[in-house]
Amino acid sequence: AQSVTQLGSHVSVSEGALVLLRCNYSSSVPPYLFWYVQYPNQGLQLLLKYTSAATLVKGINGFEAEFKKSETSFHLTKPSAHMSDAAEYFCAVISNAGNMLTFGGGTRLMVKP
Amino acid sequence: KAGVTQTPRYLIKTRGQQVTLSCSPISGHRSVSWYQQTPGQGLQFLFEYFSETQRNKGNFPGRFSGRQFSNSRSEMNVSTLELGDSALYLCASSYDGQGATYEQYFGPGTRLTVT
Repeated sequence: AQSVTQLGSHVSVSEGALVLLRCNYSSSVPPYLFWYVQYPNQGLQLLLKYTSAATLVKGINGFEAEFKKSETSFHLTKPSAHMSDAAEYFCAVISNAGNMLTFGGGTRLMVKP
Repeated sequence: KAGVTQTPRYLIKTRGQQVTLSCSPISGHRSVSWYQQTPGQGLQFLFEYFSETQRNKGNFPGRFSGRQFSNSRSEMNVSTLELGDSALYLCASSYDGQGATYEQYFGPGTRLTVT
């Protein structure tokens, strides 16, 4: 069975500060890992994905994530937060057992001016 | 390419009624998955359809069902609605062919309120 844990249901940063959202996964097989963002009253937008090609993955809007197998982690970072980054972020894992995404509980990012 | 579309965007139903939600995937995507999002349970997988066949199913009661048509469009149905079925229902499509990397693209969702 696979699972995803996101540490911190709420994270608050100042505009211009580093954003770090944590994600740890468990999977019995090499995983595919994803970060999605959800703005209010909208669906999920794919930020980036890890599919074993490279451990450091760059995504949209200046976000990136690093896959660390030894730590079973896939943390999301952005060097400088913008007000427009305020949203809820979800880490998800999929195994080769089928097209079923397992999501973490989500982290709501708040950006203070 | 056009994104994933879902209709309707909002629904209000009464307990005991049934509801049908529709999803049109991205052109060329043959896999369609459905998820339920609630504040208490988060995002939960309902089922996945591929080439008109249910390929995976989550842990939901039989009141939740779905189908997929030959053009890959999908519908999900919830019968005998309960208050706890109030949620955002999200549809996602993915390319499941040669070289697939399994990312799913989501629609805007259908907000179902059961009163």
